[in-house]
This record gives sequence, structure tokens and C-alpha cells, in this order.
Amino acid sequence: EVQLVESGGGLVQPGRSLKLSCAASGFTFSDYNMAWVRQAPKKGLEWVATISYDGSSTYYRDSVKGRFTISRDNAKSTLYLQMDSLRSEDTATYYCATDATGVMDAWGQGASVTVSS
Amino acid sequence: DVQMTQSPSYLAASPGESVSISCKASKSINTYLAWYQEKPGKTNKLLIYSGSTLQSGTPSRFSGSGSGTDFTLTIRSLEPEDFAVYYCQQHNEYPLTFGSGTKLEIK
Repeated sequence: EVQLVESGGGLVQPGRSLKLSCAASGFTFSDYNMAWVRQAPKKGLEWVATISYDGSSTYYRDSVKGRFTISRDNAKSTLYLQMDSLRSEDTATYYCATDATGVMDAWGQGASVTVSS
Repeated sequence: DVQMTQSPSYLAASPGESVSISCKASKSINTYLAWYQEKPGKTNKLLIYSGSTLQSGTPSRFSGSGSGTDFTLTIRSLEPEDFAVYYCQQHNEYPLTFGSGTKLEIK
């Protein structure tokens, strides 16, 4: 059974950093592109970033470019999202997902991030 | 970026009825449209991709249609477990973009 478990969320002040992790199991992690998708409170889903199966390519939405970094450790079957210079508008639940040419076919339960002073 | 306009935002129906949800793209996305289901306490579920291809495990009462800019998700003979929030998403190009969601509630 495919499992994606996010961790590392919490309350952080504006301008500070936070790093999310996503532990994957039940599939060959190194074969899959992976993505982060977020959902602000009472809002819809918003794609954040994608990384290729081998980490050689990354894609970001404009609003996080230069502030967020997606990475992966295939030996540990773990996906990461380093979030720097956080803003209040980054407050959301962050989901990791498999990204099969843009189709998110497995999702985690999410990690909550609140950016507030 | 491709803007996805989903309607209605809210829909009330009874078990056994059929419903349709519309999703319109701001430019042609060929058939690269996915539908997801969101339910409290569960992980998001991919239902349909490439416009009309059912993901493994998706019941046959779900169907997707459309191409270019106009797409529809139809659920025939609603079951109690179908009451949820549904999102469309284009997978034609990055940045990937979602519709704003449709909440399907029991009438």
C-alpha cells in the first residue's frame, strides 16, 4: 500500500524558515516524480513544486521561486520542502504527492504550516 | 498560467440522483484534465485523468468527458460515500492549476 507521511509542520514567524519532510513507502520512490501541493484554510488546492524522479529537474510556482526548495533523498525514500522567508500567505496544509506527468495519483495526509507573529 | 473555472461551487443532491460538475480552462489543455475527490479524514483521491480515463479503483458511476477547454465530471446514481468536495486540475503544463472546488452535499 502506498503511504506518504508528511512531518515538520508547525507555527513559524514571518521571515523564518521551516523544512517539511515526506516519508514514502509501498512503492519504488526513485521511479516517481514527486510534488508538494498546499491548501490554505478554507481555500482550494494549489500546486507548489515538483521534482523529477532523480532530482535533476525542479519546477516551482512563481510565488515560491527563490524562497522554497524541493529536494529528495532516494536512499531514504524521503521528499523535502525547505521553506525560507516565509510569509503569512504561505499558511496552509502542505501535501506531498506522487506526480505522474502532472497527475497526482497518491497523496499524504498533510502537514500544517502557520506563519504568524 | 492556465486558469481553471469550476462550477457550481456548491451542489445539493439526493442518493440515487445524477450530477454533473463543469470545469473550463482559460486555454486549450487538450484532454489533460484530472478530477480529485476530497473527504475529511482521508487522503485526496485521484478519480479520473486525461479527461476520461478512470483511475484504478474508481467506480464506473463516475465518468469524465471533454477536450480543449470544456470538461465535465458526471456521477450517476449517487452513493452516500460520494458526498465530498471535487476538484479539477489541468495536467497539460506547469504550473499545474486546480479549479476552486465543488462541494457536493446531501439534499
